[in-house]
Amino acid sequence: SAVISQKPSRDICQRGTSLTIQCQVDSQVTMMFWYRQQPGQSLTLIATANQGSEATYESGFVIDKFPISRPNLTFSTLTVSNMSPEDSSIYLCSVALSGANVLTFGAGSRLTVL
Amino acid sequence: GQQLNQSPQSMFIQEGEDVSMNCTSSSIFNTWLWYKQEPGEGPVLLIALYKAGELTSNGRLTAQFGITRKDSFLNISASIPSDVGIYFCAGQLAEYGNKLVFGAGTILRVKS
Repeated sequence: SAVISQKPSRDICQRGTSLTIQCQVDSQVTMMFWYRQQPGQSLTLIATANQGSEATYESGFVIDKFPISRPNLTFSTLTVSNMSPEDSSIYLCSVALSGANVLTFGAGSRLTVL
Repeated sequence: GQQLNQSPQSMFIQEGEDVSMNCTSSSIFNTWLWYKQEPGEGPVLLIALYKAGELTSNGRLTAQFGITRKDSFLNISASIPSDVGIYFCAGQLAEYGNKLVFGAGTILRVKS
């Protein structure tokens, strides 16, 4: 399985600012995904990060709010823009190894917006 | 959208007891996965199920892919304190582009 490193692990942010979360994988992967886990809730898919093309966003999530980069097969970033307290969540990067139906998750980035 | 109903929402059990949790849906799934999440960590895969009726064990954990492909259960035998965490079921729907849909989670607490 892949090893995923996420940075930052946690941050406290001011309302109206933006924060970029980085996800680094120790092997090349085709599929990378970004999930949000709101306090006490389950995981919700934000978008699929596609290498070489724009990310594919799920209903309720838009590129202006959550821009994603995927410059190569081992790295992706998620930016949470113009943050409000409702954006306080754990943001998780995950990958699916080629041909596998299971996801491996990073440890997550816990954001608190004041 | 697609929904998984996971129950129970939480459990507070005595060490040594067996635990059972399940997920149901009105949709048919191609894959069922069970994850465990501990505080400050991402979910970790426990068991993956790929075929209807499949019964798979991982140590004290046993999970089954329901024969109708609409449900799955996870059993933990002889629980120990380190079993504490949140357990999530996740299903993969072919009609949903093979993306994973997660249940709401079962919070497990163990009294020693």
